[in-house]
Amino acid sequence: TQLLEQSPQFLSIQEGENLTVYCNSSSVFSSLQWYRQEPGEGPVLLVTVVTGGEVKKLKRLTFQFGDARKDSSLHITAAQPGDTGLYLCAGSLNYQLIWGAGTKLIIKP
Amino acid sequence: DTAVSQTPKYLVTQMGNDKSIKCEQNLGHDTMYWYKQDSKKFLKIMFSYNNKELIINETVPNRFSPKSPDKAHLNLHINSLELGDSAVYFCASTPSSGANVLTFGAGSRLTVL
Repeated sequence: TQLLEQSPQFLSIQEGENLTVYCNSSSVFSSLQWYRQEPGEGPVLLVTVVTGGEVKKLKRLTFQFGDARKDSSLHITAAQPGDTGLYLCAGSLNYQLIWGAGTKLIIKP
Repeated sequence: DTAVSQTPKYLVTQMGNDKSIKCEQNLGHDTMYWYKQDSKKFLKIMFSYNNKELIINETVPNRFSPKSPDKAHLNLHINSLELGDSAVYFCASTPSSGANVLTFGAGSRLTVL
């Protein structure tokens, strides 16, 4: 049983478009992390959200933690080919990290 | 200077062989991990060591044996390799145990033929 569901599993869009990736659970997390993984590399942390309703921005990326701390979203504005990668969310639950299965994002020039 | 380095990056071997993957971190972190990423990209934790002590040991075949000679190193030895062991294995570290932010190595892709 997947505790953390990510959607969509795969997304391929044109450069310049906007997109949103979702991370959902029935569990309440004390915090949630977003990572990006490029081919041949390990995941790299993008952001950690801690407070319910929190919004963090990283250039064209906007991360939001749900009010109930059960879900999160990542919105990318004007996507660029450099945004291509596997986006993983991971929630902190009972001092362990629970991982989503990832969203594979391809941005076509 | 790589923070978490693992070797080898690629490993191709026959079924039944024994192989090891090594990991070193120069971040001064207390806790190190081994994760397995399968073909569907799902990351699954295998082991975690805090200051050389095993603290997480998920349901992993006992053919997999981790070893931490000191808190900066965590190696993974695999006996009697099977086809299903083919995956990318990631080493990671955190400042302390608990759900802290992970720093990952670049991964070791194991292919069992």
